[in-house]
Amino acid sequence: AQKVTQAQTEISVVEKEDVTLDCVYETRDTTYYLFWYKQPPSGELVFLIRRNSFDEQNEISGRYSWNFQKSTSSFNFTITASQVVDSAVYFCALSEANNNAGNMLTFGGGTRLMVKP
Amino acid sequence: KAGVTQTPRYLIKTRGQQVTLSCSPISGHRSVSWYQQTPGQGLQFLFEYFSETQRNKGNFPGRFSGRQFSNSRSEMNVSTLELGDSALYLCASSSLAGERTDTQYFGPGTRLTVL
Repeated sequence: AQKVTQAQTEISVVEKEDVTLDCVYETRDTTYYLFWYKQPPSGELVFLIRRNSFDEQNEISGRYSWNFQKSTSSFNFTITASQVVDSAVYFCALSEANNNAGNMLTFGGGTRLMVKP
Repeated sequence: KAGVTQTPRYLIKTRGQQVTLSCSPISGHRSVSWYQQTPGQGLQFLFEYFSETQRNKGNFPGRFSGRQFSNSRSEMNVSTLELGDSALYLCASSSLAGERTDTQYFGPGTRLTVL
């Protein structure tokens, strides 16, 4: 069965600090997809990135970067020079492609990030 | 393109009642999934519909049901409401253009309170 673990339930940083959110996953599938979503106080889940299991290249998008390592089953997310607007709950999620689970996402428990001015 | 829309945004019901939530996917998206979010259980998958057929169902009792219409709009129904059904219900849509899985885009959610 698939599982996603976000060990950090809450992180507090001061603006302009860098912060890394950890994500560890478990799956028996050889083909799978990993996602990060942001949930601001409004409640809507905002898609940030999708990475498939065959692409271990790190990705950078502005102040955001992602480090995918299959050897450690991790997909970590780093925010550089954090800003108050980054305050939200961040979810890591997994979707398997080779079973009959359809388009089901399994989510981690989320990490609440608080960026203080 | 307009995003995923959900109605109503807020709902208050009493135990034993039933409720229907509605979701309109992004135009062109044929897959609609539903998730329940609670402080205790986190985000849990309810079910997914594609081309009016339920493709997969999560581990929820039969009181939770759904359907999808020919225009891809979806509804979910919860009968005989219990206090524990109080949650944020999120709908997500994907295009699933020839793939089994695809990025899901979420709506703002319906916050259901059961008294």
